[in-house]
Amino acid sequence: LAKTTQPISMDSYEGQEVNITCSHNNIATNDYITWYQQFPSQGPRFIIQGYKTKVTNEVASLFIPADRKSSTLSLPRVSLSDTAVYYCLVGDIRRAAGNKLTFGGGTRVLVKP
Amino acid sequence: DSGVTQTPKHLITATGQRVTLRCSPRSGDLSVYWYQQSLDQGLQFLIQYYNGEERAKGNILERFSAQQFPDLHSELNLSSLELGDSALYFCASSAGLAGEANTQYFGPGTRLTVL
Repeated sequence: LAKTTQPISMDSYEGQEVNITCSHNNIATNDYITWYQQFPSQGPRFIIQGYKTKVTNEVASLFIPADRKSSTLSLPRVSLSDTAVYYCLVGDIRRAAGNKLTFGGGTRVLVKP
Repeated sequence: DSGVTQTPKHLITATGQRVTLRCSPRSGDLSVYWYQQSLDQGLQFLIQYYNGEERAKGNILERFSAQQFPDLHSELNLSSLELGDSALYFCASSAGLAGEANTQYFGPGTRLTVL
C-alpha cells in the first residue's frame, strides 16, 4: 500500500507559483499518481495524473522523477480561488480495490492577496 | 460537474435514527466508492462496489451498510446514528477494470447532521 506524505499547509500570494511535493517511497510499478483539489464542503476534483516524467494540462503541471518516489504538483500563477486542500493519491484505480487507494492528509494551500 | 450525483444534499436527523444516502455514478462507470469526511479531516474510505458486487471494505462500522443495484446506482445505509456520525459523505465512481480511465470522479456529497 503506497503511503503518501504531504506538507500540512502552505501559504502563497496571488500570481506566484505553488509547488506541493508528495512523497510515496513504496510506490508500485503499476501505480499512477493523481492529484485532487477540494474546496470546503465540495467533493474532490481531479486536477492531473501522471505515471512518470512530466505532465502538463491547462491548470497544473506534475513532475515525477525517474525513481517515482515523489511527485510535485505545480500550480502556476495562483489566484485567490486556488485556496483549497490538495490531495495526492497513489495507486492503480482501475485494478486496485478501494482500500488500496488511500488519500493522504492533504495540503491546505492558502493564497493571499 | 463530475457527472456523479448524490441525494440528498443535506440531511438532519436524530440519534438512533436510520438514513439512506443515494449515489448515481457517471454513465458507464462500474465502480462506486463511499467516503466519509468529518470536519477538517481527510477522506476515510468506507466501501467499494464493482458491478453490483462488494469489492473492498475500509473502516466501515457495522451499523453502516451499502449496496449497488443492477442499474449501478448505490445506496449507503446508516443506522443507529450517533452524534459522531455527523460528516460529509462522498460517493465517487470510476470506470473500473473495464475502462481505460484511471480516475475517480467525486459527487458533491451529502452533509449529514445528527442531533
